[in-house]
Amino acid sequence: DTGVSQNPRHKITKRGQNVTFRCDPISEHNRLYWYRQTLGQGPEFLTYFQNEAQLEKSRLLSDRFSAERPKGSFSTLEIQRTEQGDSAMYLCASSLGGGGTDTQYFGPGTRLTVL
Amino acid sequence: AQSVTQLGSHVSVSEGALVLLRCNYSSSVPPYLFWYVQYPNQGLQLLLKYTTGATLVKGINGFEAEFKKSETSFHLTKPSAHMSDAAEYFCAVRGGGGGNKLTFGTGTQLKVEL
Repeated sequence: DTGVSQNPRHKITKRGQNVTFRCDPISEHNRLYWYRQTLGQGPEFLTYFQNEAQLEKSRLLSDRFSAERPKGSFSTLEIQRTEQGDSAMYLCASSLGGGGTDTQYFGPGTRLTVL
Repeated sequence: AQSVTQLGSHVSVSEGALVLLRCNYSSSVPPYLFWYVQYPNQGLQLLLKYTTGATLVKGINGFEAEFKKSETSFHLTKPSAHMSDAAEYFCAVRGGGGGNKLTFGTGTQLKVEL
């Protein structure tokens, strides 16, 4: 069990560029979550997958954001036409769903800075 | 809708003193409750969780929390603070009509002084 991994750890981009982040969950976990955390705030839910199906999306997830989990393993989060307001830490979490004790384990995050 | 309130965005204690971080939640049905800790530039690490059963929950690093339904609270405590406890702590709720996602409080930054 190597834990949840995220790449890259840091990304600096210019406004208007597209960026893509990757999350590799704990190997046997079927649920995968994306959260966004801005400075001084708690993480806010963006979206989650059960296997390859995207089951819930937050209103925070504008049309410029898209997430995929094509084979039910790793996931990508893409932001198109980045804006300065997208600067944040993007956290991925995974869990072994199916019961009340479903516990989410977080990766180290990808810090995005939009100039 | 669920919400979590953490009273005190910054708490400072002396090394060896009691740590008390407050968390209150609102939920229409009993939720599952969690405390996570975050060190600078890192992800969140699970400290402890309450799902069902015993209302006093013990976690890692000597932390514990008590679920009090009548007070809708889930305060985090540690009898004796250590310098290594300095970090940001987040209370979170899951379920209770909110589905599988976690709803977090705004966090409490714990400072431990000599």
